[in-house]
Amino acid sequence: DAKTTQPPSMDCAEGRAANLPCNHSTISGNEYVYWYRQIHSQGPQYIIHGLKNNETNEMASLIITEDRKSSTLILPHATLRDTAVYYCIVRADAGNNRKLIWGLGTSLAVNP
Amino acid sequence: NAGVTQTPKFQVLKTGQSMTLQCAQDMNHEYMSWYRQDPGMGLRLIHYSVGAGITDQGEVPNGYNVSRSTTEDFPLRLLSAAPSQTSVYFCASSYRDGYGYTFGSGTRLTVV
Repeated sequence: DAKTTQPPSMDCAEGRAANLPCNHSTISGNEYVYWYRQIHSQGPQYIIHGLKNNETNEMASLIITEDRKSSTLILPHATLRDTAVYYCIVRADAGNNRKLIWGLGTSLAVNP
Repeated sequence: NAGVTQTPKFQVLKTGQSMTLQCAQDMNHEYMSWYRQDPGMGLRLIHYSVGAGITDQGEVPNGYNVSRSTTEDFPLRLLSAAPSQTSVYFCASSYRDGYGYTFGSGTRLTVV
């Protein structure tokens, strides 16, 4: 599995966009980029995933660079409830390489 | 829908005791998995199942057993608890492997 690199912590003002970067320079052609978040000690929550096109849903947008070596998760209008640890994960979508390799993520603090 | 339900939420065991952590989902998901989360480390996969009657090992399977007799349930058994198994355990499910996972709220286990 390709590994990811994320900054350990970030701050964001409430109401502003939060842009969380992720580096996955060794990603393979069949590996997807997934984003999850974990609020306090709750179970992780799925946010979004993509292969090479940018993706958007009701929670966030995912921007993947053309060479796929990095991506950015965008929370367009961060609220206090978005304070959480955000995990960027890459994995293949089929075959025996099923497991998600979880790093330590980025701890995002949204400040009033 | 209840989603993924884990019981118990908290448990204290003595070294050598056995117990079963329960996980149930009501979303008719084929894929289910168990993770453990320890301080300073990412989530690590213990066991997973791609459907009823099919299970496989993850990264850290030693000391744990699983079975999947129904689509809904995926219990995790600790055969002889050890202090090294003190952790927070999360169960997750998805429609099928590769889709976003839904996590339970976790079981906090302490082995003394």
